[in-house]
Amino acid sequence: DGGITQSPKYLFRKEGQNVTLSCEQNLNHDAMYWYRQDPGQGLRLIYYSQIVNDFQKGDIAEGYSVSREKKESFPLTVTSAQKNPTAFYLCASSMQAGANTQYFGPGTRLTVL
Amino acid sequence: GQNIDQPTEMTATEGAIVQINCTYQTSGFNGLFWYQQHAGEAPTFLSYNVLDGLEEKGRFSSFLSRSKGYSYLLLKELQMKDSASYLCAVRDRGGGYNKLIFGAGTRLAVHP
Repeated sequence: DGGITQSPKYLFRKEGQNVTLSCEQNLNHDAMYWYRQDPGQGLRLIYYSQIVNDFQKGDIAEGYSVSREKKESFPLTVTSAQKNPTAFYLCASSMQAGANTQYFGPGTRLTVL
Repeated sequence: GQNIDQPTEMTATEGAIVQINCTYQTSGFNGLFWYQQHAGEAPTFLSYNVLDGLEEKGRFSSFLSRSKGYSYLLLKELQMKDSASYLCAVRDRGGGYNKLIFGAGTRLAVHP
């Protein structure tokens, strides 16, 4: 079955630690995205990648880093520099950047203890 | 600036019809999406409008008026499983890239 997978579903981190969230897709999509969702707010774009080996900052990139070494994979690292990392993180992909529909993974809920 | 407004919460009765409104202000409008999101799950695509008018898809319909910066999602014959958040998202081409700007979502509760 084609789709987007994210792991883990729930993640706990101590303050001061970096943590990496996984996102994999087998839809053969060129573009991939990372969003953050907080209660009472819309999804906010952290980083996006239009093609392999290329990525751009979104609206709230500070304290985050990404890589896009393979078309299928777009991992997100939440660094200790991120001031308020507890949130629900969603990965998405689309056929091309700006294409009609973005398809979302199941999300990772990160809690900083 | 860019702004998307939708009601925070709505309630409705099973079998009824509900309309969820969305108003937006963007500099480079290039389409509007509606997504459904159950608690703790991924948003799933419901509809897309780029031209004025009504798009119907089974029990769900979406309307767009670009001149008014307004859209609504109409849900008919409501079922309990329709209890979810509904996200309005505008595609904006400002900055040379089509990006999605999301509203905060409308939490719909369907009661028996």
